[in-house]
Amino acid sequence: DAKTTQPPSMDCAEGRAANLPCNHSTISGNEYVYWYRQIHSQGPQYIIHGLKNNETNEMASLIITEDRKSSTLILPHATLRDTAVYYCIVSAVQGAQKLVFGQGTRLTINP
Amino acid sequence: NAGVTQTPKFRILKIGQSMTLQCTQDMNHNYMYWYRQDPGMGLKLIYYSVGAGITDKGEVPNGYNVSRSTTEDFPLRLELAAPSQTSVYFCASSRPMTSGGGYNEQFFGPGTRLTVL
Repeated sequence: DAKTTQPPSMDCAEGRAANLPCNHSTISGNEYVYWYRQIHSQGPQYIIHGLKNNETNEMASLIITEDRKSSTLILPHATLRDTAVYYCIVSAVQGAQKLVFGQGTRLTINP
Repeated sequence: NAGVTQTPKFRILKIGQSMTLQCTQDMNHNYMYWYRQDPGMGLKLIYYSVGAGITDKGEVPNGYNVSRSTTEDFPLRLELAAPSQTSVYFCASSRPMTSGGGYNEQFFGPGTRLTVL
């Protein structure tokens, strides 16, 4: 699976949009981009995934560049409960999904 | 649904002891996974299973064993505990791929915090 690069930490003000970047310049054509987050020491929580089109769900939006070499996770109105470590994962569709977690981005939402 | 449950929540082992970490899911998921997370690091896959009776190694399988006799349960066995196995262990489950492509989300349990002294 392709590797990803994320900034180690980011801050965002409560109520503002949080934009988390991810670089995956070696992504292959059959690899999807997944985002998970881990709040404090809980188990990770799925947020969203996409292949090449932008995606939106009740939690977030995912913007993937046309060349698919990078993506941005957008939390439109961040709250204090969004403080967490966010993981960007690239995963090929073959057999079981073996997620490869990097160190992620520690997002802190400030009041 | 309870989702993915793990027991125990915490455990302290002495070097050389053995134990089994329990994982149960009530969502009828085919796929189940075991990950470990060391302090300040991301999760690493230990073992996974695509169905009852079928298991395979992940990235860091040494020192661990698994079995999958039912769809619901996926226990992880540590035979001879070592300090390097001090970690937080997460179990996860998921359904197979979506009809539209891509994987279904993995649901994670709350974790077991293991210390080996």
